Amino acid sequence: EVQLVESGGVVVQPGGSLRLSCVASGFTFDDFTMVWVRHAPERGLEWVSLITWNGLNTYYADSVKGRFTISRDNGKNSLYLQMDTLATEDTAFYYCARAGDYCGGDCYSLDFWGQGTLVSVSA
Amino acid sequence: DIVMTQSPLYLPVTPGEPASISCRSSQSLLYFNGYNYLDWYVQKPGQSPQLLIFLGSNRASGVPDRFSGSGSGTDFTLKISRVEPDDVGLYYCMQALQTPLTFGGGTKVEIK
Repeated sequence: EVQLVESGGVVVQPGGSLRLSCVASGFTFDDFTMVWVRHAPERGLEWVSLITWNGLNTYYADSVKGRFTISRDNGKNSLYLQMDTLATEDTAFYYCARAGDYCGGDCYSLDFWGQGTLVSVSA
Repeated sequence: DIVMTQSPLYLPVTPGEPASISCRSSQSLLYFNGYNYLDWYVQKPGQSPQLLIFLGSNRASGVPDRFSGSGSGTDFTLKISRVEPDDVGLYYCMQALQTPLTFGGGTKVEIK
């Protein structure tokens, strides 16, 4: 059974830093591109970042570029999101998700999601 | 960036009746391989989002055949043939073609 379990969400002050983790099980982790998506209160889903299977290619939403860093440790079946210079607008549930292999790596359909971890940025 | 536009924002439905959600992209999602890189997701209350339809018209594993996706290029539709009370939630389309991945604004489906 595929499982993704996020952790690391807490209340943090504006300007602070946080690292989210996502531990994967039930599939060959290093075969898949992984993604972070967030859902802020009263707002829709927003893609945050993507990392390819080998970690060599990373992509970011403009809203987090230069502040967030995605990484992975395939030996530990783990995905990370380092979040720096946090702002109140970053308050959201953060989900890690797997990009399924439906078109040979050319597309990013998100077929499994974790339960989410809540990041709250507040003074 | 590809802009995704969904309608309606709010959809009250009657159990047993059909329902339909539209999604439009600002550029074509039809890839050279013939697939449309458009997905549908649902986020039920208190749950994580889950994949319903991938590549425009393919039901994800475990999704009832009451759900169907159609469309090509820039115009897509999610249809529920007979709504059930468990179908309430937020429905999103997402383009899976390129980064930044972008979602529609969401459609809230509620039972009348």
